[in-house]
Amino acid sequence: EAQVTQNPRYLITVTGKKLTVTCSQNMNHEYMSWYRQDPGLGLRQIYYSMNVEVTDKGDVPEGYKVSRKEKRNFPLILESPSPNQTSLYFCASSSSTQTGGFYGYTFGSGTRLTVV
Amino acid sequence: TQLLEQSPQFLSIQEGENLTVYCNSSSVFSSLQWYRQEPGEGPVLLVTVVTGGEVKKLKRLTFQFGDARKDSSLHITAAQTGDTGLYLCAGAGSGGGADGLTFGKGTHLIIQP
Repeated sequence: EAQVTQNPRYLITVTGKKLTVTCSQNMNHEYMSWYRQDPGLGLRQIYYSMNVEVTDKGDVPEGYKVSRKEKRNFPLILESPSPNQTSLYFCASSSSTQTGGFYGYTFGSGTRLTVV
Repeated sequence: TQLLEQSPQFLSIQEGENLTVYCNSSSVFSSLQWYRQEPGEGPVLLVTVVTGGEVKKLKRLTFQFGDARKDSSLHITAAQTGDTGLYLCAGAGSGGGADGLTFGKGTHLIIQP
């Protein structure tokens, strides 16, 4: 089944303890993105990647890092989490069409992170 | 930064009624997508519109892209309880979607039996 898999689904951690949220897709997609979703603010992009070893900042990148060493994986790293990073996180992937457009993004099921 | 304004934010109607959700911006988008999100899950793509003035139908859902590619609407005919959910519009900018999407804040739709 074509899918984007995020782990963990739920995580409670303490301020300052480094953590990684994994994201893997099995569709050979070039494009991958991370979003956070907060009440009243909607979905905001954190980082994106257009291909292996190509990453760039989205709208809210502060406090996050990413890497894209393999096409299928795009982990999100919080080096020193803080309470304002408590949120629902989504990883998504997509690819281009043969006519130069792009398919819609396929989203993972989300990771609910609480930083205390 | 491109912004997408969705209206209404919340909508509760009776089963069988019709409704329209709007998505507006002052920016031009290369394409616009509509997603639906259920509680506890990620958004799921409903449709992509690319050409100004384009209309697409998905059963009882009709999607329209504005002529200037700055706005879009979602119309649901004879709403059913299964249509309940969060509807999100999302625009692709100059990167054509490869650099991600700009999302509206969503419309929470509740269809009452």
